[in-house]
Amino acid sequence: KNEVEQSPQNLTAQEGEFITINCSYSVGISALHWLQQHPGGGIVSLFMLSSGKKKHGRLIATINIQEKHSSLHITASHPRDSAVYICAVRSNYQLIWGAGTKLIIKP
Amino acid sequence: EADIYQTPRYLVIGTGKKITLECSQTMGHDKMYWYQQDPGMELHLIHYSYGVNSTEKGDLSSESTVSRIRTEHFPLTLESARPSHTSQYLCASSDGASGNEQFFGPGTRLTVL
Repeated sequence: KNEVEQSPQNLTAQEGEFITINCSYSVGISALHWLQQHPGGGIVSLFMLSSGKKKHGRLIATINIQEKHSSLHITASHPRDSAVYICAVRSNYQLIWGAGTKLIIKP
Repeated sequence: EADIYQTPRYLVIGTGKKITLECSQTMGHDKMYWYQQDPGMELHLIHYSYGVNSTEKGDLSSESTVSRIRTEHFPLTLESARPSHTSQYLCASSDGASGNEQFFGPGTRLTVL
């Protein structure tokens, strides 16, 4: 069993839909990262959080330390949001990566 | 926007060639990382450095080597490339002041024929 599990693996939605991507982990962590990787391969860090909730534009990330679970939400989704969204946790000074969720937003 | 650069962005070479993938950052970060990522798969840490003259192997065994002679520069070298080295290589950097948030370069997509 992987230490970081993301669901779903693939998600296709219509423009405007509310999107939720989940991340569960089984190790003790000091922080959790959400990153976005576009088809060209470049990776952008979206959030780094250790508790509570953060919001940036249409993106919202939440984490529940007790349940070892985090969610990334996208409101009013747009085709330009199409990308792979990756969850990574910091544990013992190392980053453990999820396999990513491939999101496609259709116009 | 993060100031971390990788060159080349794309490289197609023949088996047996020696190659160096360049990574530079202008943020003064002490920590730098190399990740390998096959298509559709998760990133795997292959090398990291916590400062000048400090390099360590990561979780995934790799035949590549790295050096850290200057803070801003963390090149990765393959002495004799093979088709099994075909992958994407991503460089990242971080510092403790920003909570170790990692900033990524654009990646180098390597194909070995």
